[in-house]
Amino acid sequence: DAGVIQSPRHEVTEMGQEVTLRCKPISGHDYLFWYRQTMMRGLELLIYFNNNVPIDDSGMPEDRFSAKMPNASFSTLKIQPSEPRDSAVYFCASSFARDEQYFGPGTRLTVT
Amino acid sequence: GNSVTQMEGPVTLSEEAFLTINCTYTATGYPSLFWYVQYPGEGLQLLLKATKADDKGSNKGFEATYRKETTSFHLEKGSVQVSDSAVYFCALNQAGTALIFGKGTTLSVSS
Repeated sequence: DAGVIQSPRHEVTEMGQEVTLRCKPISGHDYLFWYRQTMMRGLELLIYFNNNVPIDDSGMPEDRFSAKMPNASFSTLKIQPSEPRDSAVYFCASSFARDEQYFGPGTRLTVT
Repeated sequence: GNSVTQMEGPVTLSEEAFLTINCTYTATGYPSLFWYVQYPGEGLQLLLKATKADDKGSNKGFEATYRKETTSFHLEKGSVQVSDSAVYFCALNQAGTALIFGKGTTLSVSS
């Protein structure tokens, strides 16, 4: 299996632009998680899905952030409009039945 | 609520030294416990896990024992290598919740 796939690996954008991060979970996994990692705040859970349905989005920082999972093999995290404080590494992870999570390589987002 | 507390780093050791990274947790019931490792520029990888009290997880020379009486899951390795330099995260998973991570402990090993 290729593992969790994230794209792009790096994204540099200007403040105010829309950013879309993409994730392909491991086939057969029924949970998908989005995390954000920064030096200041560490690893934060933003939202997670079970069978494509959002279960807990209490970690989404504000309305500028939205996440979708249209099918079992694809999810997006969108930031619109982006701000410099959104600069971070965003990880996607997947798991089967709340077992251990498998993380993707992350997307390093820089908003200037 | 559930939480995980790790010792603050960074931890700096010489090669072949003994490693302990402390982790304690707060949870109702019987969570599963995990250690994840993050190498520079990479995502988190599962290092080991334990699912019930007194279980010992082990992998790559690392060990951790699930201690219900002290609510702890300390990570140990008898002889660290330079290649073990990374950030280590303790985490717990309980039915009805997502993984809860500690803040991470940075380990730096020098030759």
